[in-house]
Amino acid sequence: EAQVTQNPRYLITVTGKKLTVTCSQNMNHEYMSWYRQDPGLGLRQIYYSMNVEVTDKGDVPEGYKVSRKEKRNFPLILESPSPNQTSLYFCASSDPRDRVTEAFFGQGTRLTVV
Amino acid sequence: LAKTTQPISMDSYEGQEVNITCSHNNIATNDYITWYQQFPSQGPRFIIQGYKTKVTNEVASLFIPADRKSSTLSLPRVSLSDTAVYYCLVPLGGATNKLIFGTGTLLAVQP
Repeated sequence: EAQVTQNPRYLITVTGKKLTVTCSQNMNHEYMSWYRQDPGLGLRQIYYSMNVEVTDKGDVPEGYKVSRKEKRNFPLILESPSPNQTSLYFCASSDPRDRVTEAFFGQGTRLTVV
Repeated sequence: LAKTTQPISMDSYEGQEVNITCSHNNIATNDYITWYQQFPSQGPRFIIQGYKTKVTNEVASLFIPADRKSSTLSLPRVSLSDTAVYYCLVPLGGATNKLIFGTGTLLAVQP
């Protein structure tokens, strides 16, 4: 089954404690992205990657890092989380060669920073 | 990137056809129109994409007039499980590396 898998689904952490949210896709997609969703602000892109070792900033990259060492994985790293990073996070993947440009999203990670 | 405008919310009853219209006045020649559905606390799910005229799949139909400045998502015979937020997007050239989600339309289906 084609899917994007995020872990963990829920996470509560304290300010300043480094954390990583993992994202893996099994569709051999080139494109992967991270979004955060906040009430009243909708979905905003954090970072995206167009292939292995190719990453770029989205609209709200401050406080986040990513890496793309292999095609299937695109972890989101918060080096020093702060309460304003409390949010619902989604990873997405897609293939630019597809005729119908469908992006597949993970189930989300709800992060609370206290 | 083309900006989209759609109603904030809509109400319907089970069994009715629902039409959600989106305006995208500055759509470019190579832009596609794409619709996603999102249930609470779940990731968005692709519904349908089109370029012109009409596109239909097992879930919905998408109507696009000749000037392409608007589009209408049509959901036939909705059920309670269709209650969700529906987003209209116009990705540049259909590209999915950067999707701009607006506020979407919250569709509430009642019994």
